[in-house]
Amino acid sequence: GQQVMQIPQYQHVQEGEDFTTYCNSSTTLSNIQWYKQRPGGHPVFLIQLVKSGEVKKQKRLTFQFGEAKKNSSLHITATQTTDVGTYFCARHGRGSNYKLTFGKGTLLTVNP
Amino acid sequence: EAQVTQNPRYLITVTGKKLTVTCSQNMNHEYMSWYRQDPGLGLRQIYYSMNVEVTDKGDVPEGYKVSRKEKRNFPLILESPSPNQTSLYFCASSLSQGGRGYEQYFGPGTRLTVT
Repeated sequence: GQQVMQIPQYQHVQEGEDFTTYCNSSTTLSNIQWYKQRPGGHPVFLIQLVKSGEVKKQKRLTFQFGEAKKNSSLHITATQTTDVGTYFCARHGRGSNYKLTFGKGTLLTVNP
Repeated sequence: EAQVTQNPRYLITVTGKKLTVTCSQNMNHEYMSWYRQDPGLGLRQIYYSMNVEVTDKGDVPEGYKVSRKEKRNFPLILESPSPNQTSLYFCASSLSQGGRGYEQYFGPGTRLTVT
């Protein structure tokens, strides 16, 4: 259906290591959004991907949208303690379905 | 400052006592929605509203009501709260087109405990 599967559920890294979280759908996505939620905070929008094969960068963050528009990834290069938080992907329904469905998120912890 | 506000931020109540959580945005957004966040389950959409007087169910609407009488406000109503509605609730808003393709702005959250 409209679900998005996100893996891994948790990731613990040493500061300076890279980190990747993946978002997968069984159906084609019209777009995918990524959000970050710091501990104790609210989700904050990071980016939206729309085009097949799209790659966008924000400093150390690289976002990709698969060629088939069924998966997406967020990669962080050289993690810092400020990257700690939960990263969510989210998809909209199609057609007249305007629901927004979030993945369960990946909790990233960084050991300084 | 552009923002989404929610009140109250924290609420402890008892089973069956009706409550309302308010949500207001000052960005003239058409799309508003409510989510609940539970450990291991992520964010799940309860209800959303495309515009004034237009609301629709999200993925977990049971036990909740909403109304959209004004563009800026989107209250969440629990007519008879139960302990399984203990959760962290977020209100969010976004620009038009049903929110599709536009970023969601989230409120600070309301921590609800039902005993």
